[in-house]
Amino acid sequence: EAGVTQFPSHSVIEKGQTVTLRCDPISGHDNLYWYRRVMGKEIKFLLHFVKESKQDESGMPNNRFLAERTGGTYSTLKVQPAELEDSGVYFCASSLGQDRRNSPLHFGNGTRLTVT
Amino acid sequence: LAKTTQPISMDSYEGQEVNITCSHNNIATNDYITWYQQFPSQGPRFIIQGYKTKVTNEVASLFIPADRKSSTLSLPRVSLSDTAVYYCLVGDMRTGANNLFFGTGTRLTVIP
Repeated sequence: EAGVTQFPSHSVIEKGQTVTLRCDPISGHDNLYWYRRVMGKEIKFLLHFVKESKQDESGMPNNRFLAERTGGTYSTLKVQPAELEDSGVYFCASSLGQDRRNSPLHFGNGTRLTVT
Repeated sequence: LAKTTQPISMDSYEGQEVNITCSHNNIATNDYITWYQQFPSQGPRFIIQGYKTKVTNEVASLFIPADRKSSTLSLPRVSLSDTAVYYCLVGDMRTGANNLFFGTGTRLTVIP
């Protein structure tokens, strides 16, 4: 079974530009999550999709971040305009069910975003 | 939101058993304890999860005392490939994911 895949693996953009990150969850996983680790800090939750609906977006830092999951398959996370403090690693994860006692999160390898 | 405290780093020789202890003094009744492993340039990978007593799988064992205020991840006979960062997470696993606090983790280095 293919794991969670993220694209691109690295992205370097200038402050003020736009970047779109993509995540393909494990096939059949209705739940998709975005996390990020900004420089020197811990991995933190951004948001959670159940199919195409946003279940929880309490971790989204501000309105420069827009996540979508049209059709309930892959998801995109757009940062517009990017700021220096957005630099970090963005992880996507998926799970079969919401009850993580029997449905753990499977993470992708992340996208390393550098804003210069 | 139960937060955790783990040693920042540990070293071990190949073939030894490694025990990493995590403190979570304010763990709530519905919270579970989950451990993830992360290699450089990869995402976290689920290792083991438990609620109380002992859980064992093909990778590790998890020991949880009766008061549940701490837990110990045990890795039997580590190899060089076990060098990674290990995260202890505590939270209500029934729904949602915004309550998973990764913390700084424990960086395990396995020495030949």
